[in-house]
Amino acid sequence: DSGVTQTPKHLITATGQRVTLRCSPRSGDLSVYWYQQSLDQGLQFLIQYYNGEERAKGNILERFSAQQFPDLHSELNLSSLELGDSALYFCASSPLHIPFGDGREAFFGQGTRLTVV
Amino acid sequence: QQQVKQSPQSLIVQKGGISIINCAYENTAFDYFPWYQQFPGKGPALLIAIRPDVSEKKEGRFTISFNKSAKQFSLHIMDSQPGDSATYFCAAILGGSGNTGKLIFGQGTTLQVKP
Repeated sequence: DSGVTQTPKHLITATGQRVTLRCSPRSGDLSVYWYQQSLDQGLQFLIQYYNGEERAKGNILERFSAQQFPDLHSELNLSSLELGDSALYFCASSPLHIPFGDGREAFFGQGTRLTVV
Repeated sequence: QQQVKQSPQSLIVQKGGISIINCAYENTAFDYFPWYQQFPGKGPALLIAIRPDVSEKKEGRFTISFNKSAKQFSLHIMDSQPGDSATYFCAAILGGSGNTGKLIFGQGTTLQVKP
């Protein structure tokens, strides 16, 4: 168990809908990262938050947004869903804004499998 | 230039054999190279990591070899076991002013170890 909790584990929704994925980082970790894993694109970085502030943005669509709350949990909001958004969405956390050696590596949650029908 | 290329895509090894997965990169600004192991239905788990100023790092049966001049690094799994059957990802993180902490992953290698 990595200590990173993601809910829900599975989500099935229709095209055009909006969903919210939730992530609770490991205790003490200030950084949260969101990644998307699909068969054809592999693991892609979406966005990072550090202590409530957006730190870095990757290949995140404008229909997607995220935030990190004062208690450090994070939510990824996906709207106007399309079939192509079906994927595994992972959250990772690390103590610092830079995953690094010496015990500061990023740890991943178990993911949320999103199926858009 | 921010890509990490990983090969092979899939690998079948006999129990007790050596599994070798290779990765290559172009951007010399990468300064941290972790390997992750992922089992079906699970999130990636950090396996072992190396910095470019080290040529080799060993942890148990897992060894990373790093060739800075060739911009290549590889994971060797010695005495491979059926329990090692998983997908392996190499990754890289930019250092210096470009360091945002994001992991840039290779495409993944699915390893099957036959009993």
